[in-house]
Amino acid sequence: DVKVTQSSRYLVKRTGEKVFLECVQDMDHENMFWYRQDPGLGLRLIYFSYDVKMKEKGDIPEGYSVSREKKERFSLILESASTNQTSMYLCASSYGSTSYEQYFGPGTRLTVT
Amino acid sequence: DAKTTQPPSMDCAEGRAANLPCNHSTISGNEYVYWYRQIHSQGPQYIIHGLKNNETNEMASLIITEDRKSSTLILPHATLRDTAVYYCIPANFGNEKLTFGTGTRLTIIP
Repeated sequence: DVKVTQSSRYLVKRTGEKVFLECVQDMDHENMFWYRQDPGLGLRLIYFSYDVKMKEKGDIPEGYSVSREKKERFSLILESASTNQTSMYLCASSYGSTSYEQYFGPGTRLTVT
Repeated sequence: DAKTTQPPSMDCAEGRAANLPCNHSTISGNEYVYWYRQIHSQGPQYIIHGLKNNETNEMASLIITEDRKSSTLILPHATLRDTAVYYCIPANFGNEKLTFGTGTRLTIIP
């Protein structure tokens, strides 16, 4: 079974802190994604990566950056957390350019106070 | 990307077929229709996809109208575990970027 794991289920940080959200997949997938999910807005794509050290902006990249130094790991970075970044963050991965199926992690609920 | 319209919520009795509609009237010729669902406190899960022919797998059936402007996801014998938010997503095959809307919240009633 494909497994996508995220470093924390719940996280509480203070405004202005630097926050790292980690995602690891164990199926050698080329593509990895970061979404955030807010009530009434659905899932929105923040960044994605189709290869090591490659990244592309999604629909809402402002205030975020990403890092992919190894194929299995994709990190989302909040350089200076703000209260409007309080959200559920979901990581996903998929195989290559012919994959129709994204596999999602369980999510990290981040609260910024 | 094509826009979609789904009812915000639906109920279905346990054991009955759940039929979830999706309107995607602006879908382009090379866009597939993907369906995902998200059970409470979990990440979304892929269900099925199709281009123009009806499709069936172990989870569900997908009926796409001939003009491809709408589709229906059918869960043939709904169980309580099918209670979830269901997303209909038109996208090019192999397009890594999926745009999730707000979906339909399906509640299975015992």
